[in-house]
This record gives sequence, C-alpha cells and structure tokens, in this order.
Amino acid sequence: AQSVTQLDSQVPVFEEAPVELRCNYSSSVSVYLFWYVQYPNQGLQLLLKYLSGSTLVKGINGFEAEFNKSQTSFHLRKPSVHISDTAEYFCAVSDSTGAGSYQLTFGKGTKLSVIP
Amino acid sequence: DVKVTQSSRYLVKRTGEKVFLECVQDMDHENMFWYRQDPGLGLRLIYFSYDVKMKEKGDIPEGYSVSREKKERFSLILESASTNQTSMYLCASSLTGVNIQYFGAGTRLSVL
Repeated sequence: AQSVTQLDSQVPVFEEAPVELRCNYSSSVSVYLFWYVQYPNQGLQLLLKYLSGSTLVKGINGFEAEFNKSQTSFHLRKPSVHISDTAEYFCAVSDSTGAGSYQLTFGKGTKLSVIP
Repeated sequence: DVKVTQSSRYLVKRTGEKVFLECVQDMDHENMFWYRQDPGLGLRLIYFSYDVKMKEKGDIPEGYSVSREKKERFSLILESASTNQTSMYLCASSLTGVNIQYFGAGTRLSVL
C-alpha cells in the first residue's frame, strides 16, 4: 500500500515569486508519481507525471517536479507564479509493478493562493 | 483528447431519495472510478471498475453502489441519500498499467 503526505495545506505566494509545493510518499514497491491541479468548481487535470527516466519532469503551465527516490519526495516547483495558478494541487502515487495498479493514492491537497 | 462527462454539475436531493450519478468516457478505457471530495480530506475512492460488470470497493463504499453495464458508462447509486453524502463527486477513467486517470468536471450533490 502507498500513502502520500502533502506537507502544506495552504500556500500563499505573491505574484511572480517562485513556489514549491511539497509531496512525500511511502511505498514498499516502485511507483509512478503524479501532480494534478484543480481549479475552482472543476475536476482534476493532470499537471505532470513521473513514470521512468529523468528525475526532473516538466509539465504544463511552466511547472516542474523532481523525483527524489532516497528522500521519497516529488516536490512541485514553478519559478514565477501567475494569478491564474491559484488552485488546489494534488500529489498522487501509483504502484508501477503491474500488480494492483488500478488505483491512485492521493494526498489531501495544497491550496495555492497567488496574491497580486 | 480524453473526455469524461458527468451528467450533472449540480444536484439537490432530499433525504431518502434514490440518486443516480452518471459518468461516460469516450476513450475505451478499461478502468473507471468514483471518488468523493470533501474539504480537508482530499479525494476518497468509493468504488472502481476494471471491466464491464466488474467492481471493487474502495475506501468508503458504505451507502453507495455502482453499475457498469457498458464499458463507457459507470454509474454511482445512492440507494437512500443522507445529509452526510453531501459532497463533490468525481468520476475518472484510465487504461490499465500506467494509470493516468482522467477526470470529469464533478457533480456537486447537496442532500437536504
């Protein structure tokens, strides 16, 4: 079984400042990792994913994340945020071994508020 | 693009009513999921289905049932709605293996 911890429930940041949203996971098997974004009153949209290969992955809207296996982390970063980045962000993990790989385990989410 | 469509964006029902939430995907995905989302609790899996007529309980199945008669459609049923089922309900679908889940826009259900 996997678990995901998003260390901050809310992150306020000024427009054009950098931001990091933290995610740590726990798993006894190898994993796939995901970040999703949810804008107000909408469903979740895939932001980026780590499946294999380079540990630095780039996603949509200028976001990137780095997979750190030794620290079991997958932190999300953006060098300069915009008002339109105000949303809730979810980190998720999936078993990559093929056994029981239907499910995603989600963190509780981090609300990013960009201040003008 | 993958499209997951939930039949209603907003629903208001009375306690004790039978409620159907419908979800349709257009990408021939094997897997479909129903989650509920509540503030501070994140997404919790209610049920999922990995094939037609197959279903598995998630973390919080009590008070819910599901139906999957066709591959593209996955229905969530509240047999007798209660006020504690007021929530945002999200449907998702995926291909087996990589498990990138694609979500619908959600149904915000209020039970009065």
